[in-house]
Formats: sequence, C-alpha cells, structure tokens
Amino acid sequence: AQKVTQAQTEISVVEKEDVTLDCVYETRDTTYYLFWYKQPPSGELVFLIRRNSFDEQNEISGRYSWNFQKSTSSFNFTITASQVVDSAVYFCALSDHEGGGSYIPTFGRGTSLIVHP
Amino acid sequence: NAGVTQTPKFRVLKTGQSMTLLCAQDMNHEYMYWYRQDPGMGLRLIHYSVGEGTTAKGEVPDGYNVSRLKKQNFLLGLESAAPSQTSVYFCASSYLNSNQPQHFGDGTRLSIL
Repeated sequence: AQKVTQAQTEISVVEKEDVTLDCVYETRDTTYYLFWYKQPPSGELVFLIRRNSFDEQNEISGRYSWNFQKSTSSFNFTITASQVVDSAVYFCALSDHEGGGSYIPTFGRGTSLIVHP
Repeated sequence: NAGVTQTPKFRVLKTGQSMTLLCAQDMNHEYMYWYRQDPGMGLRLIHYSVGEGTTAKGEVPDGYNVSRLKKQNFLLGLESAAPSQTSVYFCASSYLNSNQPQHFGDGTRLSIL
C-alpha cells in the first residue's frame, strides 16, 4: 500500500477557479512530517510547506492554504483564484520513522494541475 | 549560492555502458538523496546518505551504486546501463535530517538506448 496517496492524477481548471489537491497518508508513527513540493514545467522541484504531526493548525500563504487533519490522515492543499502560473505537478511527501533509523521521505505520485486562461 | 548542482544535465547511453552522475551541494547539509522520476510514478528513492562515508538503500536501489566520500558530493553510478533506467534523476539534500525540507537539483535526463 502506498504511504502517500494523491488520488487525483490530473486536474484541469479555468483561471480564477479554486482548486484543492488531495493528499492522504499512512503511518503508525506519532511523530512525522508532511511536505508539499511544486514542480513547474521547467522541471525543478520547489519546497512549499512542511507540517509536523503535532501542529494541526491550518496555514495560509497568499492564495495557498493547507488543511491538515490527523483524524482523516489528510493534508490537502488549496489554491484560491488559480492562475496560469500555478500550472505544475504538485507532490505531497511524508517523512516518518517507521522501522527505526532515519526519517526518510516518501513521495506521492503527484497531481498535475493545468490552469487554462 | 549554487545550492544543489547536478552534472550532467542530459546524457544518452547505450545499453551496457557505465556512467556516474555527480551531485554537489554547498549548504553543508548532512543528508543527501538520489531519486528517479518516471511518468506517473512520482519520485522514488534510489539511495541516500546520512553523512560522509555512509550510504543506504532506498526503494529502488537495484542496478545503482553510490558513494559519499566527501560531505558535499554524492555520486550515483550505473555499472551496466539498461533501458529500464531511462529516467530523470534528481539529487536532493537536507539539513541534519529528513524532517527538514529537501533542496533539489535541476535533474539529469538520462536515456538508455
């Protein structure tokens, strides 16, 4: 079973629409870390946010917001009033300690967001 | 400030050839990683290193070897390239441990014919 599931392979929206990217994770650790990364068409991977398992506060950064719910093991990402520049592949990642040793991140398969003008 | 630099950016190999991908970071990060990215598969961890002189296997280590002789460098080797290793390879580093954000290189596009 995947530790990080991004069920939406591709989402297509029109500019100014709001869009939510889903991320569901699986871990038995009580301490873990969640991340979102953006990969624009140019190919580089850019860090967006990190959340630890003890901080369930939602976060807003401009048009971006993240909703972390431990009860449903989800860490969803919402873009408000989407823009063409938001077109990218977005990855959710989990870093946990299962099996002992180091925290090693596991990535979801990514959601491709296409924003049409 | 270069961050994470991968060399080369593109390469075409024939089946059976060998090559080494170089990753260099200038942020004094302890942890370094090699991933491959294939369509629809996300990023899969090949090998990683928690410090100079140490390496460990990730999710898909077969056919690859790594070395971390210097803290700032992490080398990925393909001893006998196979078409299944055609992929985009990303190197990343993180400060102290993997609960810190990773900084990624720009990727190496590798084609095996």
